[in-house]
Amino acid sequence: ETGVTQSPTHLIKTRGQQVTLRCSSQSGHNTVSWYQQALGQGPQFIFQYYREEENGRGNFPPRFSGLQFPNYSSELNVNALELDDSALYLCASSLYTGSGYGYTFGSGTRLTVV
Amino acid sequence: KQEVTQIPAALSVPEGENLVLNCSFTDSAIYNLQWFRQDPGKGLTSLLLIQSSQREQTSGRLNASLDKSSGRSTLYIAASQPGDSATYLCAMRDANAGKSTFGDGTTLTVKP
Repeated sequence: ETGVTQSPTHLIKTRGQQVTLRCSSQSGHNTVSWYQQALGQGPQFIFQYYREEENGRGNFPPRFSGLQFPNYSSELNVNALELDDSALYLCASSLYTGSGYGYTFGSGTRLTVV
Repeated sequence: KQEVTQIPAALSVPEGENLVLNCSFTDSAIYNLQWFRQDPGKGLTSLLLIQSSQREQTSGRLNASLDKSSGRSTLYIAASQPGDSATYLCAMRDANAGKSTFGDGTTLTVKP
């Protein structure tokens, strides 16, 4: 059973640029969620994808967008990067069922905007 | 809107001590509660998952409890070791299995 993998691990971008982060779900999981974690804070929910459709979104502007693919892998895209977008971006997969599975997280992508 | 608070923000204990980390939440309509460990600059490692209908879960030296009526969860760590040093986060998942709301964590240091 493979876990959740994220790429790249580190990234440096210039303000105004666009970035794409990638995530491969744990085998058998059909739901992917993305979180942003600023230094010293808990993760903040960005959005969740289930069966290739967004089915929940946090308080993030539209320049944060995502995709989920048929194999349940996912991308997070951020346009017009701002300095405050510098954070650890975490991807989590889970099963969207009544059995109450929890999240499995990846190791994250550290994004620095300069 | 769910709000999750973890107190204290930081804790330092000598090796071997038993300790309790606290997590409080405002909305009892949850799907499940999950405790995580995070090492500096790393991702989150799941420690324990408690379903909404359960009251506690145990794994090795760890025991987590859930009291929805009081809006509290505790993580008990027995016989702490220096390797337990990390930040511990609790997360409440919404009743529709949507987003989770995290606390800001308790940073634990276990001194040899």
